Amino acid sequence: GAVVSQHPSRVICKSGTSVKIECRSLDFQATTMFWYRQFPKQSLMLMATSNEGSKATYEQGVEKDKFLINHASLTLSTLTVTSAHPEDSSFYICSARRGLTTGELFFGEGSRLTVL
Amino acid sequence: EDKVVQSPLSLVVHEGDTVTLNCSYEVTNFRSLLWYKQEKKAPTFLFMLTSSGIEKKSGRLSSILDKKELFSILNITATQTGDSAVYLCAVDQRDDKIIFGKGTRLHILP
Repeated sequence: GAVVSQHPSRVICKSGTSVKIECRSLDFQATTMFWYRQFPKQSLMLMATSNEGSKATYEQGVEKDKFLINHASLTLSTLTVTSAHPEDSSFYICSARRGLTTGELFFGEGSRLTVL
Repeated sequence: EDKVVQSPLSLVVHEGDTVTLNCSYEVTNFRSLLWYKQEKKAPTFLFMLTSSGIEKKSGRLSSILDKKELFSILNITATQTGDSAVYLCAVDQRDDKIIFGKGTRLHILP
């Protein structure tokens, strides 16, 4: 199956610093990538939809200045958590759509962020 | 409001049993319904369903979609302990949004 690589898998940072998470589709081009946040024992919460070459579309309640998303190429999207605080600690997962319309969705391995 | 509802939220069965997981939805601009299995990390893809009445199978797992009644089921026969996981149902919309249900936490007892 298609492979989506997410890096880093774990990151610990101090409060106030910024953290960048990368999501790469390794064997297909992804015009659309999605970023999710998942709290323990809860489902995936969509944060934003990232389209190559254009601004991300954020879900209601997600601060776009805090969670910066860049989709610079057809194989790479990045999520930067700016000025991180302990409440930003969570599991962040990206997914990439293979194909333009009815393409399947493949997930990265997720990144566990801990903010001290 | 668009929503995806899964039931049951949790299920405990014995190895060898057959289970049926349910997913109902009310969404605009339906494109497809997706099933995922999530163990410790990110979800892994199981099925994508776009047409009613066509069963998709993969080993002991199968799934079917009813677009008239707006639901899907995921069946697992002859369950094994390795089937223990959270099973997520999601609906993919034409405007590129994907809405997830809360998941069904399945635990298989040896």
